[in-house]
Amino acid sequence: SQQGEEDPQALSIQEGENATMNCSYKTSINNLQWYRQNSGRGLVHLILIRSNEREKHSGRLRVTLDTSKKSSSLLITASRAADTASYFCAPSTGGGNKLTFGTGTQLKVEL
Amino acid sequence: NAGVTQTPKFQVLKTGQSMTLQCAQDMNHNSMYWYRQDPGMGLRLIYYSASEGTTDKGEVPNGYNVSRLNKREFSLRLESAAPSQTSVYFCASSGTRANSPLHFGNGTRLTVT
Repeated sequence: SQQGEEDPQALSIQEGENATMNCSYKTSINNLQWYRQNSGRGLVHLILIRSNEREKHSGRLRVTLDTSKKSSSLLITASRAADTASYFCAPSTGGGNKLTFGTGTQLKVEL
Repeated sequence: NAGVTQTPKFQVLKTGQSMTLQCAQDMNHNSMYWYRQDPGMGLRLIYYSASEGTTDKGEVPNGYNVSRLNKREFSLRLESAAPSQTSVYFCASSGTRANSPLHFGNGTRLTVT
């Protein structure tokens, strides 16, 4: 499996604003997953988008995938203080579920 | 339903000491994984087990051994701890269906002095 690179490394916004973070990868994928990590906790799976999908929604989350640019974005709408966490993307080539994680985007949502 | 449980939560070792990190899952998952997370390095896969009775090396296996004791439990052993193994260790599990998400425990914070 390959590692995704998240951008920006850190993002600080006000509650109620939207947060967008990006992920780039190098080779063709089968799917791409996004995870959240709260401070001192393990990663939690948020959403998976398959290579034949361009956009997917889950609650306040919107994920897009552009396979021609080898990139994905995660949008969190109407952010809340509870969204403060690190967010990781994990591109998967489909060879089992051995995922590799980058350093993530640290999101801080301020009241 | 506890998910993935890791013990201990914190551990301090002296260089050269050994210890075993324990992990158990109650989701009937076939696959289990050990990762380490270091500042600026992301999460790196140490070992994984696709099914009971099988284990394979990940990206950074040196200095570690694993045991898939049964379907529920996957332990990680440090035979002779080194300061470079100071890290946060995460265990995860997943189903065998393609695209199954990983479920993580809350980690073991290990310090080697």
